[in-house]
Amino acid sequence: QKEVEQNSGPLSVPEGAIASLNCTYSDRGSQSFFWYRQYSGKSPELIMFIYSNGDKEDGRFTAQLNKASQYVSLLIRDSQPSDSATYLCAVNVPLGNTPLVFGKGTRLSVIA
Amino acid sequence: DGGITQSPKYLFRKEGQNVTLSCEQNLNHDAMYWYRQDPGQGLRLIYYSQIVNDFQKGDIAEGYSVSREKKESFPLTVTSAQKNPTAFYLCASSSTGQESPLHFGNGTRLTVT
Repeated sequence: QKEVEQNSGPLSVPEGAIASLNCTYSDRGSQSFFWYRQYSGKSPELIMFIYSNGDKEDGRFTAQLNKASQYVSLLIRDSQPSDSATYLCAVNVPLGNTPLVFGKGTRLSVIA
Repeated sequence: DGGITQSPKYLFRKEGQNVTLSCEQNLNHDAMYWYRQDPGQGLRLIYYSQIVNDFQKGDIAEGYSVSREKKESFPLTVTSAQKNPTAFYLCASSSTGQESPLHFGNGTRLTVT
C-alpha cells in the first residue's frame, strides 16, 4: 500500500508569518509531487508541483523536495488569512499508469 | 476555456434510488477519475479510466458504477447498494504520464435521505 502522510493540523500561524506544511511518502521510486489547496466546500486546485530535489519557488510559495529522506514540504511566505485552507500533498506511483496517491491534507489557519 | 464540468452542483435523492453524476472535460485528457470526500476527510478513489471503454476500480468501488464511452465523458452512477452515499463527489482528469497532475471539476454534493 503506497502511503502519503500529512499532519492533519490545524496548523495556526499569524498573518505575515511563514507557514510550513510537510508530507512524507513511502515509495522511494516516486518522481512527481504535487500540492493542492482546497477551500472549505470547494474542489482542490493545483498550486505547486516539483520533480527534482531542492527548492522550487513560485511567488509566495516554495516547494522543497528531499528524495533521500522521502519528504516534500510547502512553505508559504507572508501568510494571509486568504491562505486558510486544507493543503493536500499528492505523489505519483512509479509502477504503471496508476493514479496519484493523496495525503489526507493539513488544515492551515492564518490568524489576522 | 478548457476545463472539467460536473453537474449538477447539488443533488438530492431518496434512499433506494440510483443517481447518475455527470462529468465532462474538454482538456483532451485520456485519464479520468472519480473521488469521494466526506466532511473533514481526504479523497478516496472510486473508479478511474485511462482510456475509452476501459476503467478500473479504486479503493471504494462497491455500490458505484461508471462508463467511458467517450473520451470527454465519465459519468458515475451511485446505486442503491451504496450504504452511505451522501458525500461530496469530485471528478478529475489528467494526461497520461508520470508528471501529469490531476485537474478537478467543481464537484457535486449528493444528499440522500
